[in-house]
Amino acid sequence: DGGITQSPKYLFRKEGQNVTLSCEQNLNHDAMYWYRQDPGQGLRLIYYSQIVNDFQKGDIAEGYSVSREKKESFPLTVTSAQKNPTAFYLCASKERTKVDTGELFFGEGSRLTVL
Amino acid sequence: AQSVTQLDSQVPVFEEAPVELRCNYSSSVSVYLFWYVQYPNQGLQLLLKYLSGSTLVKGINGFEAEFNKSQTSFHLRKPSVHISDTAEYFCAVSERGGTASKLTFGTGTRLQVTL
Repeated sequence: DGGITQSPKYLFRKEGQNVTLSCEQNLNHDAMYWYRQDPGQGLRLIYYSQIVNDFQKGDIAEGYSVSREKKESFPLTVTSAQKNPTAFYLCASKERTKVDTGELFFGEGSRLTVL
Repeated sequence: AQSVTQLDSQVPVFEEAPVELRCNYSSSVSVYLFWYVQYPNQGLQLLLKYLSGSTLVKGINGFEAEFNKSQTSFHLRKPSVHISDTAEYFCAVSERGGTASKLTFGTGTRLQVTL
């Protein structure tokens, strides 16, 4: 079955450590996205990528980094510069269609807790 | 730029009662509209979407929504809810005609169904 796989589902880290969240999709979608979700704040866009080897900052990119070396993979690194990294992180992808409606397909999410 | 307002952060309702979750949007151009559902510790799943045509849109799990252009609203309804409908619901909007459309999400409404 096609879909988006995020790993790990739960992750704990100590302050000052970098951590990388994995996102893999086998939907053959061109665009991929990372969102952060905090209670009562909805989803906020961190980074997105329209094609391989290209990505753009979203609304809250500070303290995060990404890469897009392969179409199916879009890993997110939460660096020690991110002041409040505890959150639920969602990866999403978008199919290339004649009319771009913006519709997204989501993974199951990764919950990061900083101890 | 577009924005979305979900007026109710929480909606408690008894099983088999009807429910309406409210969503209003703001945009200077025509839009596409979406409702997503999120069960605890999971990703978002598309419930329904309005792209064009009939303003009454039917989705999965018995939900429907009506697009009202004059009131810039896209309220979600279900005539009789079930315990399994307990989840968080997100309204989202994207602008028509964009070359790289991005979804803007509301802050979510938590639907709590009780016996």
